[in-house]
Amino acid sequence: DAGITQSPRHKVTETGTPVTLRCHQTENHRYMYWYRQDPGHGLRLIHYSYGVKDTDKGEVSDGYSVSRSKTEDFLLTLESATSSQTSVYFCAISGGGAGGVYEQYFGPGTRLTVT
Amino acid sequence: SQQGEEDPQALSIQEGENATMNCSYKTSINNLQWYRQNSGRGLVHLILIRSNEREKHSGRLRVTLDTSKKSSSLLITASRAADTASYFCATDPTSGTYKYIFGTGTRLKVLA
Repeated sequence: DAGITQSPRHKVTETGTPVTLRCHQTENHRYMYWYRQDPGHGLRLIHYSYGVKDTDKGEVSDGYSVSRSKTEDFLLTLESATSSQTSVYFCAISGGGAGGVYEQYFGPGTRLTVT
Repeated sequence: SQQGEEDPQALSIQEGENATMNCSYKTSINNLQWYRQNSGRGLVHLILIRSNEREKHSGRLRVTLDTSKKSSSLLITASRAADTASYFCATDPTSGTYKYIFGTGTRLKVLA
């Protein structure tokens, strides 16, 4: 497996509380991604990073913020969690392919429940 | 939504049979990738096909790409029980942002 970990792996939190999920990589890949996976929707991109301190919004970024202060860590923050943010969150990395073409490597996922 | 669509949503076959799943997408792409996800796990990259390629093989996997129809298919030959998983396509748009767009997935069940 690619060197990518997520923490925590499971979390239950209450509506209105802030939550931070961490993605850590040891591969020195340039790109890092946060997705959420919900039944019937597949994977949807929340935010991604194309370098340290360089981030951009994805399809479902409302209610989420991210930070990347160093290459290996990409944090996803839910400022005030809502029940609609109950989901499985996946981090992915890419940036090592030849010829500018990149495959993604996924972390094990974080199951978040907002009550 | 920018998401691609996969067809069928679910597929059940007997071990040894071939499984075919299809992916349609909406934008011009640089490449298309297929991923597998076992229950409760992260996605695993299977195969990548570039926009100037029409067919690609990897072991028991065969992928085709028709950019004029904005569609791709994944064929798994001689399926095994271990192939039971969800399969997703992901497209890399020509926008140059590397913001991949995933399909909704096909759940494959291979019966022993």
